[in-house]
Amino acid sequence: ETGVTQTPRHLVMGMTNKKSLKCEQHLGHNAMYWYKQSAKKPLELMFVYSLEERVENNSVPSRFSPECPNSSHLFLHLHTLQPEDSALYLCASSQDPGGEGTGELFFGEGSRLTVL
Amino acid sequence: GQNIDQPTEMTATEGAIVQINCTYQTSGFNGLFWYQQHAGEAPTFLSYNVLDGLEEKGRFSSFLSRSKGYSYLLLKELQMKDSASYLCAALDSNYQLIWGAGTKLIIKP
Repeated sequence: ETGVTQTPRHLVMGMTNKKSLKCEQHLGHNAMYWYKQSAKKPLELMFVYSLEERVENNSVPSRFSPECPNSSHLFLHLHTLQPEDSALYLCASSQDPGGEGTGELFFGEGSRLTVL
Repeated sequence: GQNIDQPTEMTATEGAIVQINCTYQTSGFNGLFWYQQHAGEAPTFLSYNVLDGLEEKGRFSSFLSRSKGYSYLLLKELQMKDSASYLCAALDSNYQLIWGAGTKLIIKP
């Protein structure tokens, strides 16, 4: 138990579906992240929210839409995805690494997404 | 560009010692992390180095040489539960994490 909870753990969707991934952190952190993890590739940072403001968007296609309603919750809305979007999507939280501390990330267990 | 290199896969024997190397090239440097990820689970923090030298934490130690852009993770007295992927990540001058692709460590009896 890392203090970061993701749901669902597994998701299968068609290319025309709309679904959402949810992440909740119980650690009092002020930054939250979405990462994409594909086999044998480095973790790809998708979005960063610091103090509920989006501070990073790494050229992610618009079919991925993040939402951060408060400092404890983060969503990733999915729409008209492609088969190459199939991957493990990891949520993480930290104290702002630009501030005090190391910025150590605490990850959720991930949501395994399969796009048919 | 920014880059992290680490071996794709390593194999070691239970009870032995293994060293996983990581080299990095980043724009500025604010420290280096090692994470462990068991199959189907979340990555978990192992170590953070920002100064040169060796930091020991039980069976695991992490070393950093800033001048060489090099780090290693040393695992002693290997146990079967140490079979996992080990991720190296460097923090650049903008406090962005640059990740390696991970090293899959296989422990054999």
